[in-house]
Amino acid sequence: EPEVTQTPSHQVTQMGQEVILRCVPISNHLYFYWYRQILGQKVEFLVSFYNNEISEKSEIFDDQFSVERPDGSNFTLKIRSTKLEDSAMYFCASLGQAFDQPQHFGDGTRLSIL
Amino acid sequence: KQEVTQIPAALSVPEGENLVLNCSFTDSAIYNLQWFRQDPGKGLTSLLLIQSSQREQTSGRLNASLDKSSGRSTLYIAASQPGDSATYLCAVRGAQKLVFGQGTRLTINP
Repeated sequence: EPEVTQTPSHQVTQMGQEVILRCVPISNHLYFYWYRQILGQKVEFLVSFYNNEISEKSEIFDDQFSVERPDGSNFTLKIRSTKLEDSAMYFCASLGQAFDQPQHFGDGTRLSIL
Repeated sequence: KQEVTQIPAALSVPEGENLVLNCSFTDSAIYNLQWFRQDPGKGLTSLLLIQSSQREQTSGRLNASLDKSSGRSTLYIAASQPGDSATYLCAVRGAQKLVFGQGTRLTINP
């Protein structure tokens, strides 16, 4: 069964550095999402992306964050000037052409900011 | 603003019991509702999806119901097994995003 792939599985970065989290969504999917889960807290929506532009973003998704689909297969989340509170598990998800289908999630990237 | 609540926060039962996990949401204008399983430190595995027009969905020993008008969903697990131990998350979808509950941490004791 096709799956969403995220790399790396664990990223350790010094505070103030930039990180790029990578995702390969399911190949024929059209809608892409990033969510995050701080340890012990709810999974929170960050941003949705469709037709090469952001379709919705949360209050969390400020100028520190950006997303990009640089080619036909990758979907990336960039975090500039990381802070301690950015430490979390980041999940990528994708959704196919039929809007009534489930969102498919990757296994996540655990981001640790030191 | 949509809020999703799951009760109980944790549940521990002996193997073989049938159990019910509860999910409530404040805004009934949802597109669909998804139940997920999350093992410690791991990703989200989709278990069941219920469309807003549906009342229930079944997959194996799992049955999920939806009462959109009252803002409630339940996940019924039959004949529980130790391998069912995990956190179960409920998420509702509006136009785009999923809004998640805090989850119910389930422990099945052999």
